[in-house]
Amino acid sequence: GENVEQHPSTLSVQEGDSAVIKCTYSDSASNYFPWYKQELGKRPQLIIDIRSNVGEKKDQRIAVTLNKTAKHFSLHITETQPEDSAVYFCAASWAEGGKLIFGQGTELSVKP
Amino acid sequence: NAGVTQTPKFQVLKTGQSMTLQCAQDMNHNSMYWYRQDPGMGLRLIYYSASEGTTDKGEVPNGYNVSRLNKREFSLRLESAAPSQTSVYFCASSNTRSGNTIYFGEGSWLTVV
Repeated sequence: GENVEQHPSTLSVQEGDSAVIKCTYSDSASNYFPWYKQELGKRPQLIIDIRSNVGEKKDQRIAVTLNKTAKHFSLHITETQPEDSAVYFCAASWAEGGKLIFGQGTELSVKP
Repeated sequence: NAGVTQTPKFQVLKTGQSMTLQCAQDMNHNSMYWYRQDPGMGLRLIYYSASEGTTDKGEVPNGYNVSRLNKREFSLRLESAAPSQTSVYFCASSNTRSGNTIYFGEGSWLTVV
């Protein structure tokens, strides 16, 4: 079955710096790659997603890139702010309405 | 519009006891899911239901059963709870036609002693 690996497990940056989180997936049939943000004690919430027919997508300070050949995708956060501090999860899915398989999560800490 | 609602929010069980986690969504979604979250392990899929009347095993189904009661409701049952099932459980749902965007409930904190 699908396997998603996420790195790093923890990431600490200074406010204003950029943060990059990387994920790899195993099933070449995967076609949907969302990113979720989870604040302490809260539910995961979708922040951005990308489909396999697109190489890059941006939403203000957040961008996601996808390399289908290498089977990896990345989350880029620019101009980080303390409120970006949270756990971020990548995920992969290969079917409409199909299950999402998540990476292990990255705990991002943005220091003022 | 409540989204995904799950109960109870907190529960303490003794080893061997049984319980059912309830989940309901009001977004007319076809697919529903149960995940568990443990430190350092991310979100792992227990069971999912792609449509009313169907259920399938996920990554970690052992020790659990599910019921898709109708389109709105998807319950998770622990028949004989074990300490290894201490976790945070999230119910989720998605609309297959919009491409897999999954919406989560607020979570249920379960402790088995």
